[in-house]
Amino acid sequence: QKEVEQNSGPLSVPEGAIASLNCTYSDRVSQSFFWYRQYSGKSPELIMSIYSNGDKEDGRFTAQLNKASQYVSLLIRDSQPSDSATYLCAVRHGGGGNKLTFGTGTQLKVEL
Amino acid sequence: DGGITQSPKYLFRKEGQNVTLSCEQNLNHDAMYWYRQDPGQGLRLIYYSQIVNDFQKGDIAEGYSVSREKKESFPLTVTSAQKNPTAFYLCASRKDDTTYGYTFGSGTRLTVV
Repeated sequence: QKEVEQNSGPLSVPEGAIASLNCTYSDRVSQSFFWYRQYSGKSPELIMSIYSNGDKEDGRFTAQLNKASQYVSLLIRDSQPSDSATYLCAVRHGGGGNKLTFGTGTQLKVEL
Repeated sequence: DGGITQSPKYLFRKEGQNVTLSCEQNLNHDAMYWYRQDPGQGLRLIYYSQIVNDFQKGDIAEGYSVSREKKESFPLTVTSAQKNPTAFYLCASRKDDTTYGYTFGSGTRLTVV
């Protein structure tokens, strides 16, 4: 059973729209949650982190966390073609090493 | 500028050959990690190290080996025992007393020829 689940997509949104990316996780003791953006052929880049229930906003990005439902999401407002990438959800679960478990990623396509 | 440097960017391995991927960081980060990325499978943890001269196996350590003789360096050797080594290899690091997010290197793409 996968520990972090994401819809692989592709998710297509028109330019200027809100893109909503979702992630669920299985480990209830998970404490830290991250969103990475990965362009094709490149390495992942950290764009958001969230540790407590609720919303966290940073520019056009909003991360939302609901620990009771084991659900984390990323909203991208005013989507731009440059946002087209794969978005990876990562979860730090309990145990040694502060290891992150990654989902398989959701491909986002922002269309003109 | 501080960062993580992985080399080489592309690497070709012949059957039965061992190859070593380099990972160097000048961020003064304590922990370092190696992940493998295959299409449609996300990132899978190979090995990690929290301090010098100590490292632990991740989820897919078979056929790989590492060393951590210096804080800055965490090389990964892909041995001939790894039967399907073609993948994108990512090295990451993290400072213990700050955000738990990782900083990634630019990756090494390994291909068996």
